Amino acid sequence: EVQLVESGGGLVQPGGSLRLSCAASGFTFSSYWMHWVRQAPGKGLVWVSRINSDGSSTSYADSVKGRFTISRDNAKNTLYLQMNSLRAEDTAVYYCARDLDPKPEYYFDYWGQGTLVTVSS
Amino acid sequence: DIQMTQSPSSVSASVGDRVTITCRASQGISSWLAWYQQKPGKAPKLLIYAASSLQSGVPSRFSGSGSGTDFTLTISSLQPEDFATYYCQQANSFPPHTFGQGTKLEIK
Repeated sequence: EVQLVESGGGLVQPGGSLRLSCAASGFTFSSYWMHWVRQAPGKGLVWVSRINSDGSSTSYADSVKGRFTISRDNAKNTLYLQMNSLRAEDTAVYYCARDLDPKPEYYFDYWGQGTLVTVSS
Repeated sequence: DIQMTQSPSSVSASVGDRVTITCRASQGISSWLAWYQQKPGKAPKLLIYAASSLQSGVPSRFSGSGSGTDFTLTISSLQPEDFATYYCQQANSFPPHTFGQGTKLEIK
């Protein structure tokens, strides 16, 4: 059974940093591109970042470019999101999601349960 | 960036009704479109990908159509468990992989 379990969320002050983790199991993690998607309270879904299967290629939404870094450790079956210079508008539930196909196809077929990041003083 | 616009933003319907939700892309995306269902406090669930392909395990009352800039999600006969928020998402290879703003499907 495919499982994605996020951790690392919490309350952080503006300008602070946080690292999210997403532990994957039930599939060959190293074969799939992975994504982070966020959802501010009461708002819609926003794609944040993606990383290819071996970690050599990454992309970001303009809103987080230069502040967030996506990475992965295929030996540990874990995806990461390092978030620096956090702003109030980064407050959201952060989901990790698996790409539908190893090709990839940029659809998200499995999602974690989400981890809440709150940026507030 | 490609913008995705859903309509309506909310819709009220009854069990057994046929419901259609529309998604329009700001530029052509061929068939690179997905639909997701999200219930309160839960992660989204993939329903349809490649505009019309039904994800494994999703009931056949869900269907998708369209290509280019205009797409639809149809639920042929609403069931109680279908009341949720629905999002479209464009899957063009160039990021960002933008979502529509969502359509809330409520019980009439």
